[in-house]
Amino acid sequence: GQSLEQPSEVTAVEGAIVQINCTYQTSGFYGLSWYQQHDGGAPTFLSYNALDGLEETGRFSSFLSRSDSYGYLLLQELQMKDSASYFCAVRDRHNTGKLIFGQGTTLQVKP
Amino acid sequence: DTEVTQTPKHLVMGMTNKKSLKCEQHMGHRAMYWYKQKAKKPPELMFVYSYEKLSINESVPSRFSPECPNSSLLNLHLHALQPEDSALYLCASSQDRGNEQFFGPGTRLTVL
Repeated sequence: GQSLEQPSEVTAVEGAIVQINCTYQTSGFYGLSWYQQHDGGAPTFLSYNALDGLEETGRFSSFLSRSDSYGYLLLQELQMKDSASYFCAVRDRHNTGKLIFGQGTTLQVKP
Repeated sequence: DTEVTQTPKHLVMGMTNKKSLKCEQHMGHRAMYWYKQKAKKPPELMFVYSYEKLSINESVPSRFSPECPNSSLLNLHLHALQPEDSALYLCASSQDRGNEQFFGPGTRLTVL
């Protein structure tokens, strides 16, 4: 089957850097995505990595190592508004539109 | 227009009621999805429509009935729901089987 593991909670202070890790087990790999979801809100796409390396988008970066079945989301210069749940996701092994989500990491940013 | 809209925002229904959730997108996306999300859990896929045809049904009970009238619209018809069906129902769309899915704000459903 396919599964993803990520920490359930992370706490950091404003202005700091935080890394949210995601390890996955899949048969067939079509890239790793990250989504952000604020309480009461909808998931919002943050990034997608199909190849190894770091992708940077503003304060957020995402990294992938296919040989290690591992990726992470890096959030820099943390702001209070970054407090949210973060989900990593992979496409299912049949390469359909189905995303398999991790259980989510709740990030709490403190002043 | 890079938005997925959903109506209603909130819905309270009894177990004998029939109601429908609606979803609309005008991004030209050809894949549309229904998800169910419980508190503190990830979205759980229910249905996928690809080019207006149902391509995935994740063994969802028949009391949930999806419909895709055209490439911009997706409905979810609800009938004889159970209290455990109370959840946030999210609609999403993407370019074909794209990795970037655009989610609507969801319908918060409460079944009494």
